[in-house]
Amino acid sequence: LAKTTQPISMDSYEGQEVNITCSHNNIATNDYITWYQQFPSQGPRFIIQGYKTKVTNEVASLFIPADRKSSTLSLPRVSLSDTAVYYCLVGVNRDDKIIFGKGTRLHILP
Amino acid sequence: DTAVSQTPKYLVTQMGNDKSIKCEQNLGHDTMYWYKQDSKKFLKIMFSYNNKELIINETVPNRFSPKSPDKAHLNLHINSLELGDSAVYFCASSQDLGGGEQFFGPGTRLTVL
Repeated sequence: LAKTTQPISMDSYEGQEVNITCSHNNIATNDYITWYQQFPSQGPRFIIQGYKTKVTNEVASLFIPADRKSSTLSLPRVSLSDTAVYYCLVGVNRDDKIIFGKGTRLHILP
Repeated sequence: DTAVSQTPKYLVTQMGNDKSIKCEQNLGHDTMYWYKQDSKKFLKIMFSYNNKELIINETVPNRFSPKSPDKAHLNLHINSLELGDSAVYFCASSQDLGGGEQFFGPGTRLTVL
């Protein structure tokens, strides 16, 4: 299972774009890259998933370079409610050692 | 109309007891999971269950056992509880065992005294 590395924490201001990068140097050919968001006392919530290039949905964009050894989650015009922990997950659901890691604690300031 | 629900939300018990946590999903998914989130906030998978195929994380003690009466339910039984079992346990489901989105329940905070 590909190990991921993310910044432990980030601060930003309301209205700004936030980019969180995840490194996954030993990603496997069939691995997807998935990002989840977790608020305190809640379960993680799916944000976006991709395999290569760029994926965009109503919440975020995910940029994946050609070598797939990293990925960047982009949150446009963040608000206070985007304060949460963001997890980068690499693999497929069949993996028996899925670990979300510590994630990135994003703090949005007014 | 909660997609993935768990009961109880909080569970406080003594060492050595046996307890169960229930999980139900109404999404029609084929696969369900149990995760453990410890005090350091690492979220680790314990079990995946898909059409009677059980995938176990080898680090999970055999005191933990999943029970699935039907596709919509995956309960977690824990025998002889230990202090180190204190954590938040999350149930999740997904359409299958591929790379698709997982839907998580609200979690059960287990405290072993």
